[in-house]
Amino acid sequence: KQEVTQIPAALSVPEGENLVLNCSFTDSAIYNLQWFRQDPGKGLTSLLLIQSSQREQTSGRLNASLDKSSGRSTLYIAASQPGDSATYLCAVRYTDSWGKLQFGAGTQVVVTP
Amino acid sequence: KAGVTQTPRYLIKTRGQQVTLSCSPISGHRSVSWYQQTPGQGLQFLFEYFSETQRNKGNFPGRFSGRQFSNSRSEMNVSTLELGDSALYLCASTPLGDYEQYFGPGTRLTVT
Repeated sequence: KQEVTQIPAALSVPEGENLVLNCSFTDSAIYNLQWFRQDPGKGLTSLLLIQSSQREQTSGRLNASLDKSSGRSTLYIAASQPGDSATYLCAVRYTDSWGKLQFGAGTQVVVTP
Repeated sequence: KAGVTQTPRYLIKTRGQQVTLSCSPISGHRSVSWYQQTPGQGLQFLFEYFSETQRNKGNFPGRFSGRQFSNSRSEMNVSTLELGDSALYLCASTPLGDYEQYFGPGTRLTVT
């Protein structure tokens, strides 16, 4: 069964601290992996997309790594700010599945001033 | 470019009724995927359409159906609504050759 797991489920950090969010997946036959941010009651905002052939992707304060062999991806957010408070979701697109993203349950992040 | 739009944004329906939700993808995107989000089950894939054809389907009962039009706009329909259908319904569009999914704001459906 293709599963995606995110640990921890919730995280609270003081402003300025670096955030490390983990995502693991059970099947290494992935096409790509996407990280999203979701604010309460809103849709999903795409943060980073990593293709299966890539090891990492960067955008501003965000950096995501991918290790297919171990079934893991990590999202790093440098110098966190209160505006980073949200739920972060990782989603895997497997090679045998058109248009379908398999989502983790998310990590709820609170950055305190 | 305008983003993915979904209408209506909020809906309240009664058990047994049916509902139709609409999704307009980003211009030029031909693939549309639908998801259901609930607190208990998280985000679950419903189905995906490309060029008016359903290419993939999740594990939902036949009460959930969809279609796509020639302009890539998509609709999903839920018949005989149940209380458990209360959820945020999200659609996402994907451009050719990219596979990054772009999500709309969602439709919040409440079934009473």
